[in-house]
Amino acid sequence: QKEVEQDPGPLSVPEGAIVSLNCTYSNSAFQYFMWYRQYSRKGPELLMYTYSSGNKEDGRFTAQVDKSSKYISLFIRDSQPSDSATYLCAMSLRSNDYKLSFGAGTTVTVRA
Amino acid sequence: EAGVAQSPRYKIIEKRQSVAFWCNPISGHATLYWYQQILGQGPKLLIQFQNNGVVDDSQLPKDRFSAERLKGVDSTLKIQPAKLEDSAVYLCASSLYGTSGTEQYFGPGTRLTVT
Repeated sequence: QKEVEQDPGPLSVPEGAIVSLNCTYSNSAFQYFMWYRQYSRKGPELLMYTYSSGNKEDGRFTAQVDKSSKYISLFIRDSQPSDSATYLCAMSLRSNDYKLSFGAGTTVTVRA
Repeated sequence: EAGVAQSPRYKIIEKRQSVAFWCNPISGHATLYWYQQILGQGPKLLIQFQNNGVVDDSQLPKDRFSAERLKGVDSTLKIQPAKLEDSAVYLCASSLYGTSGTEQYFGPGTRLTVT
């Protein structure tokens, strides 16, 4: 069993739709949860990070963490064609832990 | 602020050949990471440098992979000899404080194809 599971998709939605992405994990010791966006032929860039359980909102993006279920989500509201990318979840044990465990990534296409 | 630079962007070699990748981190970033991202998978950390010292190389296949960071700035990752399963994107990342996973900045990667 992989430490972090993420549905690879692909996911195709019309412009303006809500995109819902999620990851499950097996290590209950994970404390920090991150979402990276990776455009084609580019390196990942950090979108959001959250600590422990709860929600965090940043513009059109909302990250949720449910540690009791070992489940994290990313929601993109009012999706735009520029949101078309691969979204990777990542997690670590501590804030000062450089070792990240990544999911495989979900490829999202937003159709104009 | 210039980002992490990597070269070459693409490389095609035959198995058993050798190859080297170069990375120039963001100016002032003391920590440098090399990741391997196989198609359809998330990045996997190969090695981490703090200045010019190795912090973690536990997942580096040392029989064929080597990396160095002379003078604590640029870094080179080498594969010798390459195998088919080494086909992947090799990502370099850097960070300022050296320890927080949330502060890593990635380069565009080098896409390696081994035939």
